[in-house]
Amino acid sequence: GQSLEQPSEVTAVEGAIVQINCTYQTSGFYGLSWYQQHDGGAPTFLSYNALDGLEETGRFSSFLSRSDSYGYLLLQELQMKDSASYFCAVGGSTLGRLYFGRGTQLTVWP
Amino acid sequence: DSGVTQTPKHLITATGQRVTLRCSPRSGDLSVYWYQQSLDQGLQFLIQYYNGEERAKGNILERFSAQQFPDLHSELNLSSLELGDSALYFCASSPQGGVGEQYFGPGTRLTVT
Repeated sequence: GQSLEQPSEVTAVEGAIVQINCTYQTSGFYGLSWYQQHDGGAPTFLSYNALDGLEETGRFSSFLSRSDSYGYLLLQELQMKDSASYFCAVGGSTLGRLYFGRGTQLTVWP
Repeated sequence: DSGVTQTPKHLITATGQRVTLRCSPRSGDLSVYWYQQSLDQGLQFLIQYYNGEERAKGNILERFSAQQFPDLHSELNLSSLELGDSALYFCASSPQGGVGEQYFGPGTRLTVT
């Protein structure tokens, strides 16, 4: 089976840095993705790591360690608009189906 | 705006009924995915189509079925509806169907009463 663990909630203040961790157990592994979802909205793709290491896209970075079955999403210079749910998702095969974690609710305070 | 469209936006129906949810992928995307999001189950993969053919199946109930048409739009049919089927149903698309970025539509919120 597949399981992904991520914290249910994280809070931070504007301008701060926050890290959301994700550990996974899957029978097959084809990359770790991160998605953002605002209340009532659609998930929006943030990043994808197929290989070990850090990927940086603007204020967001994502890291993967395949040997540790672990990854994280790093959000820098937090803004109020970053308040949302963040999901890690694992590709379990080359077919594209994704297994999602339960999501981390990030609240950014002024 | 991801370029993926879904209709209807909201749907309220009674137990035992049948509904059809519609999805149009981004222009040029061959692969369509259906996901169900509920409070107790989270975001769950249901089924994937690629260029008209079923490619992968997840935890999709036998009461649910889907298809992808020659113009690449897709429909998800839910029948004999139960209260527990109330959820947000998302369609996503991607160019080739491999892992990586998927583009999600705005979703259809289904309420079964």
